[in-house]
Amino acid sequence: AQKVTQAQTEISVVEKEDVTLDCVYETRDTTYYLFWYKQPPSGELVFLIRRNSFDEQNEISGRYSWNFQKSTSSFNFTITASQVVDSAVYFCALGFTGGGNKLTFGTGTQLKVEL
Amino acid sequence: KAGVTQTPRYLIKTRGQQVTLSCSPISGHRSVSWYQQTPGQGLQFLFEYFSETQRNKGNFPGRFSGRQFSNSRSEMNVSTLELGDSALYLCASSYGGASGNEQFFGPGTRLTVL
Repeated sequence: AQKVTQAQTEISVVEKEDVTLDCVYETRDTTYYLFWYKQPPSGELVFLIRRNSFDEQNEISGRYSWNFQKSTSSFNFTITASQVVDSAVYFCALGFTGGGNKLTFGTGTQLKVEL
Repeated sequence: KAGVTQTPRYLIKTRGQQVTLSCSPISGHRSVSWYQQTPGQGLQFLFEYFSETQRNKGNFPGRFSGRQFSNSRSEMNVSTLELGDSALYLCASSYGGASGNEQFFGPGTRLTVL
């Protein structure tokens, strides 16, 4: 069974602060895929990143960075110098080989960035 | 390139009715997945279609069904609507059928059951 836990329900920060969104996953599969999606108020899920289980390299994309650690089954997401436009719900999701494109989502973290 | 489109965007139905939602994937994409999003249950996988065949199915009752056409457009149908079916229904498309593909989501159809 697949499970994704996002323990932080809501986070509020002031603009320009750094913020880390936590994601812990559970799976028995040896090959799996992790994703982060952003859902702004408009409702459409926006793809941010995909990571394969055999690639533990951290990744940085502009103000976004991701820390994948298999030893702790975590795939955390950090926004550096947050901006008001980053306000959204962020979802972590898990897929597995043989599961097609089926994703198991976490419950999401509501990020509020204020001036 | 046009994104994933879903129609209608909003629907209001009454209990016992049935409803059909439509999803047009990105041109060239052959996989379409459907998800239900509710405040209580979050995002839950309904089913996935690839090349007109259902590949995966989530834990939903048989009232929820779907299909995919030869042009990859997909429809999902919910029969005998219940109040608990009120949700945002999201469709996602992906190019290939292999696991781990990047999926692109549509804006969703918000269904309200009265």
